[in-house]
Amino acid sequence: NAGVMQNPRHLVRRRGQEARLRCSPMKGHSHVYWYRQLPEEGLKFMVYLQKENIIDESGMPKERFSAEFPKEGPSILRIQQVVRGDSAAYFCASSPMTGSYGYTFGSGTRLTVV
Amino acid sequence: AQSVTQLGSHVSVSEGALVLLRCNYSSSVPPYLFWYVQYPNQGLQLLLKYTSAATLVKGINGFEAEFKKSETSFHLTKPSAHMSDAAEYFCAVSEGETSGSRLTFGEGTQLTVNP
Repeated sequence: NAGVMQNPRHLVRRRGQEARLRCSPMKGHSHVYWYRQLPEEGLKFMVYLQKENIIDESGMPKERFSAEFPKEGPSILRIQQVVRGDSAAYFCASSPMTGSYGYTFGSGTRLTVV
Repeated sequence: AQSVTQLGSHVSVSEGALVLLRCNYSSSVPPYLFWYVQYPNQGLQLLLKYTSAATLVKGINGFEAEFKKSETSFHLTKPSAHMSDAAEYFCAVSEGETSGSRLTFGEGTQLTVNP
């Protein structure tokens, strides 16, 4: 049973470009969460999705950031017109539909904006 | 609102010595508490979790943590440090009863183990 798969592992974008980060949850998991880890900081919640629904996006920046979790395929975190301050590690986590405590995290995507 | 404070951003111990990583939380409802470990350039691995059952929780790799409501603490301990324990450790709190609640993380504690 593969874990949470994130790709790419490393992503370099120039300022103004778009970044697309993908997350495939564990098999049987229908809840997906995105967190951001800035250098020397802890993880900060961004968004919580279930299939085709955004449940809680209170941690998402108001502009340039969006997330989706379609019926088929991975969850996507999209950052438009990236700026240097977007450089960070972005982690995806998933959990099963039934009650469970604690997530399974992916290995993250490290975004560098140059 | 929930919050987590990890006392000490860096902790250094000798191999074989006791490991103690401190975590205090704030929560408006009975919390669920977690410790995660992060090795360089990797994701977070769940060490242990407290979900209102036994207050002393045993996790992987010989770690354990004790929930103390009166002290609002959930400190992580290991009797004897191993070189492979060197990593960053994060304490986290959730106020939800299901997996659908966000985690609030502390700033992390970097553990160094000296030979």
